[in-house]
Parts: sequence; C-alpha cells; structure tokens
Amino acid sequence: GEQVEQLPSILRVQEGSSASINCTYENSASNYFPWYKQEPGENPKLIIDIRSNMERKQTQGLIVLLDKKAKRFSLHITDTQPGDSAMYFCAAKSPKYVFGAGTRLKVIA
Amino acid sequence: ETAVFQTPNYHVTQVGNEVSFNCKQTLGHDTMYWYKQDSKKLLKIMFSYNNKQLIVNETVPRRFSPQSSDKAHLNLRIKSVEPEDSAVYLCASSQGSNTEVFFGKGTRLTVV
Repeated sequence: GEQVEQLPSILRVQEGSSASINCTYENSASNYFPWYKQEPGENPKLIIDIRSNMERKQTQGLIVLLDKKAKRFSLHITDTQPGDSAMYFCAAKSPKYVFGAGTRLKVIA
Repeated sequence: ETAVFQTPNYHVTQVGNEVSFNCKQTLGHDTMYWYKQDSKKLLKIMFSYNNKQLIVNETVPRRFSPQSSDKAHLNLRIKSVEPEDSAVYLCASSQGSNTEVFFGKGTRLTVV
C-alpha cells in the first residue's frame, strides 16, 4: 500500500499551547518523511523532515518523531503562535512521494 | 533567484477547451512533478519525470499529458477540460531521493 493517513483534519489550539499532528504510512520501504506548511494562497514549503535512521528531530519549536515499527510519525509544534495557523502536510517517500490529506491548524489568540 | 516557476498563475476556460501550463525549475534538480490540489486541499501526484523519463504515472485521465523538453522544464497539457479539472496544479522538483520537494506557486484552473 501507498497510503498516508493524517489526523486530525482540523486542529484548533490556544496560543501558547502545543499542537500535534499524526501520520501513519503503509509502505515499510518509506525512508524519508518531510512536513510541509502551506499558508493561504501560497505553495507548500518544507518546515522539517526526518529520515529513517532517526527517531527524533527538533528545530525552532518543531519536533518530529518517527516510530518505524508502528509506521507512524508525528509533528509537534510547541508554544504555538497565530503565525502557525496554516495547512500542514506530512509525506512519506518510498521512493515516490505520498502526501497525507492535510491538517488545518488554527491558533486562537 | 533559483526556484520553481509556473505560468500562468490563473486560467479560466470553458469545458472542452485545451489548456497548457508551463513549469521551469532553476534548481538543477533531476526530477520534476505535477500535483493536483483540489478544493479540499488534497495533494495528489499526477506525474513525475526523472531525466526526461516518466517514472511515475498515476491513474490520471488520458486527457492529461506531461511534456518535457529538458530536465528543467515540465509542462502539463489538458485536452478537452472537464469541470472536475478545476483545481490548483502545482509543479515541483527535487534532486535524487530522500530530499526536499520544492513547489511552484501553482496554477489555478477554473473550468466553466
């Protein structure tokens, strides 16, 4: 299978709290897992990625976790700000890219 | 500036017409893609080209065809558009495997 499931589809959080988005994949050959942020009217842009030889990666308030056994990876945004409001997409590459359905994050001030 | 450039930004056309979208990348990448993003923001890969060879051809309608003159260009032609073709078409590129995909700003197609 090549599906990537992404949940939740909509996420509303209070400013300053954390937000978590979860993705699961089917293809055990997947070895690269990027996360993209898409703001209204803009193209998706990479914000963080993780490769299969890692379990955790952190950069600038973003944390990604990878559980290869469970075929699950997740994005955690700490201390959310209104500017974090956007669509977020996970993807798995195996070798072709398969994107999740997206999560619309709304940070409420 | 190096990036992925798409033209046009918007296109409105009638059912049955033919349209063509252009894409050029100046990143020196060896793989280019076309994605369709519908009104629900779902990103679906349509085609990918690696060194002018079609390596992924998803089950898209035959009225869609990619056209590449070199590894920096990948155009998309749609013969006889239908209402369900209304969407944003995103061109993208990457270098090798396990690397970031860079997206263009998209072409929004509206079929009336």
